[in-house]
Amino acid sequence: DQQVKQNSPSLSVQEGRISILNCDYTNSMFDYFLWYKKYPAEGPTFLISISSIKDKNEDGRFTVFLNKSAKHLSLHIVPSQPGDSAVYFCAASELNNDMRFGAGTRLTVKP
Amino acid sequence: SQTIHQWPATLVQPVGSPLSLECTVEGTSNPNLYWYRQAAGRGLQLLFYSVGIGQISSEVPQNLSASRPQDRQFILSSKKLLLSDSGFYLCAWSGSQRADTQYFGPGTRLTVL
Repeated sequence: DQQVKQNSPSLSVQEGRISILNCDYTNSMFDYFLWYKKYPAEGPTFLISISSIKDKNEDGRFTVFLNKSAKHLSLHIVPSQPGDSAVYFCAASELNNDMRFGAGTRLTVKP
Repeated sequence: SQTIHQWPATLVQPVGSPLSLECTVEGTSNPNLYWYRQAAGRGLQLLFYSVGIGQISSEVPQNLSASRPQDRQFILSSKKLLLSDSGFYLCAWSGSQRADTQYFGPGTRLTVL
């Protein structure tokens, strides 16, 4: 039972353009959402998070949007750079419960 | 600052051999510790988590076991490896709440032949 879904296994974007990575969830009790970035043969690194009391959180080129009514969040990267090429995992959790991860989206930014 | 170590980075083992992967955390006390396996198309699958020394919870039935002999040490083991145990194993730590942000180690690529 996948409570967190990333329906696009891959995304290709031109350098300098916007990358939009999407994530849907089914558990309305989730109240904390995160994005992780993962390079091959390395552990995921925490990128950005958002709590359910907000609908937007921004950190430099990275912005996460949360739409609670649609149970949807997205990660925007502007402008995209070749170094952003990686697998991005969406994750969600509720208080005192485990974090759940999506299957990941492989982003390729072409120079 | 906190750091998390995993070793070995890569491992090739024959079917039926034992396994021991180690994870240690520095710079924090009483962390929650986690073992994940990354499978293609399935994201990160939680295998075990621990909220304290000797306290292990298993998420899925499997051929593996975990132990936490010290506060900042987490070990993943198997008595007899199966081909299906091949994968990329990740250790992570977080604060005392299971919903806290998790920070991952570099991972171990295990190939069972």
